Amino acid sequence: QSALTQPRSVSGSPGQSVTISCTGTSSDVGGYKYVSWYQHHPGKAPKLMIYDVSKRPSGVPDRFSGSKSGNTASLTISGLQTEDEADYYCSSFAGSFSWVFGGGTKLTVL
Amino acid sequence: EVQLVESGGGLVQPGESLKVSCAASGFTFSSYEMHWVRQAPGMGLEWVSYINTGGSTIDYADSVQGRFTISRDNARNSLYLQMNSLRVEDTAVYYCARLLAYCASECYQVLDYWGQGTLVTVSS
Repeated sequence: QSALTQPRSVSGSPGQSVTISCTGTSSDVGGYKYVSWYQHHPGKAPKLMIYDVSKRPSGVPDRFSGSKSGNTASLTISGLQTEDEADYYCSSFAGSFSWVFGGGTKLTVL
Repeated sequence: EVQLVESGGGLVQPGESLKVSCAASGFTFSSYEMHWVRQAPGMGLEWVSYINTGGSTIDYADSVQGRFTISRDNARNSLYLQMNSLRVEDTAVYYCARLLAYCASECYQVLDYWGQGTLVTVSS
């Protein structure tokens, strides 16, 4: 069982928006601003999409946005495109030097 | 271009040892703290270990404490994970990840670049 709870799957049609939730505790998501989201195509390196809850690295489309309320963080992808189909993982700093991750959410673009 | 390339994975029997490596390029390796993260089949990601820039500060997940050893060779731009007394539950893809951590007007901390991973299978 993963430390952070994500839905196993979400889906949407091209052009629609989807939101993926990530629930932790006050010791991780709720206690730090260091919440990140990764896009992962199997067999490839995970790609950073969001860091510090809502910041986008250079090159990540502004269709990707992040937010947090209490112990739950969220990733919203608007204007879905077929290339967005992938697994998405949330991550949070958990104190000392450790990080915790979610179980992953499979996004299907119908 | 930042690149992290893991290698050394393979099939081993329970109780055996294996050492995986991560070759870094495209950045000043010696200036970055590094992590190992793994993903068991069908499961989520799990943090495994941390090492600071000089190798003097190290941390492990409870699940591998006492069995795994992280190390680095800054002259060779390489990160290592020595895994001893391997168990079936250690079967996973092992990723190395770079930690970007700094403070300007505010502080930032994120695992910003990852490798593609190397598969370690522990089975009899």
